[in-house]
Amino acid sequence: DGGITQSPKYLFRKEGQNVTLSCEQNLNHDAMYWYRQDPGQGLRLIYYSQIVNDFQKGDIAEGYSVSREKKESFPLTVTSAQKNPTAFYLCASSTRQGGYYEQFFGPGTRLTVL
Amino acid sequence: DAKTTQPPSMDCAEGRAANLPCNHSTISGNEYVYWYRQIHSQGPQYIIHGLKNNETNEMASLIITEDRKSSTLILPHATLRDTAVYYCIVRVGGGSQGNLIFGKGTKLSVKP
Repeated sequence: DGGITQSPKYLFRKEGQNVTLSCEQNLNHDAMYWYRQDPGQGLRLIYYSQIVNDFQKGDIAEGYSVSREKKESFPLTVTSAQKNPTAFYLCASSTRQGGYYEQFFGPGTRLTVL
Repeated sequence: DAKTTQPPSMDCAEGRAANLPCNHSTISGNEYVYWYRQIHSQGPQYIIHGLKNNETNEMASLIITEDRKSSTLILPHATLRDTAVYYCIVRVGGGSQGNLIFGKGTKLSVKP
């Protein structure tokens, strides 16, 4: 089955710890994205990457970091510098042929900072 | 990018058509209208998009007014599984950034 996987589904961390969220896709898509969603709100873009070894900051990149060493993988690290990290994190991918806005989303990771 | 306005919530009876409106009065000529939906605690799902003409696929129909200042997403026979938040998004097609800008959307409740 082609799709996007995110792991883990639920993640708990202590304040002050870094944590890495996984995102893998086997759709052969060029572009990948990370969004954050807070309760009752829409999605906000954290980072995106259109090709391997290149990525761009989105609207709320502070306190986050990413890497794109492989086309299939786009992990997100939530650092201790992120002031309010508890949220629902969503990864997505798309192709240039799809005009980039036809994005496929993973199931999400719900991060809770204790 | 053009902003969109959607009602915060709507109800629909199961088996009836659900018509979800979206206003985008500042849309420019090269901006497309995209619709996504998000079922509770899941990732959003692409539904349909269009530029000028009405569009239809296996999930829904998209009706865009002639002046393109508003559109309507139609789910022809709503089921309980269509209960979700529906997002109307306007973006330049094939844009270099590709990031979607989600508002709060319309929460559609399909009732038996």
